[in-house]
Amino acid sequence: NAGVTQTPKFQVLKTGQSMTLQCAQDMNHEYMSWYRQDPGMGLRLIHYSVGAGITDQGEVPNGYNVSRSTTEDFPLRLLSAAPSQTSVYFCATQTGTTDTQYFGPGTRLTVL
Amino acid sequence: GDSVTQMEGPVTLSEEAFLTINCTYTATGYPSLFWYVQYPGEGLQLLLKATKADDKGSNKGFEATYRKETTSFHLEKGSVQVSDSAVYFCALSEGGTSYGKLTFGQGTILTVHP
Repeated sequence: NAGVTQTPKFQVLKTGQSMTLQCAQDMNHEYMSWYRQDPGMGLRLIHYSVGAGITDQGEVPNGYNVSRSTTEDFPLRLLSAAPSQTSVYFCATQTGTTDTQYFGPGTRLTVL
Repeated sequence: GDSVTQMEGPVTLSEEAFLTINCTYTATGYPSLFWYVQYPGEGLQLLLKATKADDKGSNKGFEATYRKETTSFHLEKGSVQVSDSAVYFCALSEGGTSYGKLTFGQGTILTVHP
C-alpha cells in the first residue's frame, strides 16, 4: 500500500496563477483533510471531507476550493495564488472507526 | 472553540537528557489527545495518543498522560537520543461530528546534540 500520496512535492507559482495540489489514498478511508503548516502556527485545517461528494470548510478556507468525486482522491485548488498562500500543505486521511489521522509527505508551495 | 497550546521556543538537549514538552488544551467536550512527530523533510506521524482522562499513551520511550483536571497532555522521555531531533505537535480531536478535524498546537522543535 502506498498510503497517502501527494503531488507535486515542490511548486513555485507567480501571483495570480492557478494550480491543483493532488492527494490520493489507497486505504479506503472515509475522511480526508487538507492542512497548511506555517512557522510558529502549527497546522491549520483548510477543508475536509467525510466521504465522496461531501466537503466542508475548516479554519482557513479562503482562496481554496476542494471537491471529492471518489473515495481515493481529494484535490485542493488554488484559483488565484497569493503570496500569503506560501506554505507547506499536508493531506491526511482517517477511517470512521478510529480518531487517528494519517498524513501524506506534503507539498511545499512558494508564491512569488 | 477548541485550542491547543504548546511550550514556546525550540528545545535543545544533550543526548540522554530528560525531555518534557508541555501541552495544554481547551475543548468543549471530551477530546482525544495526540502527539505527532515530524522528522526533517517528512510528513507527520502519530507518536502516541490517549482517548480518555487518566489514560497514558506511550511509544518509543515517550509517554504522556491525559490530565482532565489540569487540561494537560505533557510529553516526556527519560533519555533522548540524537535521532529524536524533530518537530513535535500536540493535537486534539473531539471525535463524533468532528471526525476529519484535528486542532494542533504550534509545534516544538527539539534538537538533541551528541
